[in-house]
Amino acid sequence: DAMVIQNPRYQVTQFGKPVTLSCSQTLNHNVMYWYQQKSSQAPKLLFHYYDKDFNNEADTPDNFQSRRPNTSFCFLDIRSPGLGDAAMYLCATSRDSGEQFFGPGTRLTVL
Amino acid sequence: QKEVEQNSGPLSVPEGAIASLNCTYSDRGSQSFFWYRQYSGKSPELIMFIYSNGDKEDGRFTAQLNKASQYVSLLIRDSQPSDSATYLCAVNMKGYSTLTFGKGTMLLVSP
Repeated sequence: DAMVIQNPRYQVTQFGKPVTLSCSQTLNHNVMYWYQQKSSQAPKLLFHYYDKDFNNEADTPDNFQSRRPNTSFCFLDIRSPGLGDAAMYLCATSRDSGEQFFGPGTRLTVL
Repeated sequence: QKEVEQNSGPLSVPEGAIASLNCTYSDRGSQSFFWYRQYSGKSPELIMFIYSNGDKEDGRFTAQLNKASQYVSLLIRDSQPSDSATYLCAVNMKGYSTLTFGKGTMLLVSP
């Protein structure tokens, strides 16, 4: 089945220790998104790639970076995680501006 | 300012009843409208999308769109306890390739 895969599902890191989350997709979608979601809040878009074009949301902290080495893979790098970065990180994909399909998410804990 | 508003709930309905979830949006030029279901601790799952004014039915779900009133709703017929979740409304606003999410409405279906 075509799907969006995220690894790891759970990530524990220490304050200030860099972490990388990964997302892959078999849907052959050209757009990939990273969202941050905290408890009882809406998913907050961090950035997205439209094909190879990177689009950063204005309020995304510099601490968050992303890479998309090819169509299928996208990475989220958090350079120096703080306690406030503990959240669920969601990857989604779409064909152009169509409906978005989400992966299972990575739950990040910062100690 | 892009805004999507939902009543946070919880909306409580008995099993077998119709659940009505509502969403308003600020951008009159919005073009696409999506409903996602999110179980606690899980990622959002797309259940309906609608582009044109009127009703769209899929099984027990009906999405209703009224662009003049900037209002979109989701009806769930014959509600089941397994429908208990948070329902997120998402809107694609004109000129943007991304979605703006509401904070979601929690639905509780009691047996």
